[in-house]
Amino acid sequence: EAQVTQNPRYLITVTGKKLTVTCSQNMNHEYMSWYRQDPGLGLRQIYYSMNVEVTDKGDVPEGYKVSRKEKRNFPLILESPSPNQTSLYFCASYKSAMGLEQYFGPGTRLTVT
Amino acid sequence: AQSVAQPEDQVNVAEGNPLTVKCTYSVSGNPYLFWYVQYPNRGLQFLLKYITGDNLVKGSYGFEAEFNKSQTSFHLKKPSALVSDSALYFCAVRDLSFGNEKLTFGTGTRLTIIP
Repeated sequence: EAQVTQNPRYLITVTGKKLTVTCSQNMNHEYMSWYRQDPGLGLRQIYYSMNVEVTDKGDVPEGYKVSRKEKRNFPLILESPSPNQTSLYFCASYKSAMGLEQYFGPGTRLTVT
Repeated sequence: AQSVAQPEDQVNVAEGNPLTVKCTYSVSGNPYLFWYVQYPNRGLQFLLKYITGDNLVKGSYGFEAEFNKSQTSFHLKKPSALVSDSALYFCAVRDLSFGNEKLTFGTGTRLTIIP
């Protein structure tokens, strides 16, 4: 089954404690992206990757890092989480830039206290 | 810069009535337009897209959308609403003029179908 998986699904942590949210896709997609969803703001892109070792900033990259060492994986790293990063995070993948739809993971709800 | 506006936070429709969820966009070049749906505790699911060609696009679950270039709109429609259509709907746009990878989402419209 074609899918995007994220782990963990739920995470409660404290300010400053480094964490990683994993994302994996089994569709051999070149492109992957991270979004955060906040009430009244919709989805905002954090980072995206066009292929292995190729990443770029989205609209809200501050406080986040990403890496793309393998085509299937695109982890999101919060080196020093803060309460304003409490949000619902989605990973997505897609085949190419030419208008093809994105496939989304189930989401990770992060709470930073 | 590209942007999307969903002017209604909430839309309520009686079951069996037609529904419309509004979306307007702004781009410099030609747009790719998408509608996604989010059910509770789920990720976003693709509904339909406009790339080029016929202005009326048909998608999943009986939904359709009409691309109107002069009004820069891409409203989502369905002739007869079902209770199971209740969800959060997002419009999204990509501006092709610069070959960018960015997909910009609207703030979402919560659709509630009343039995």
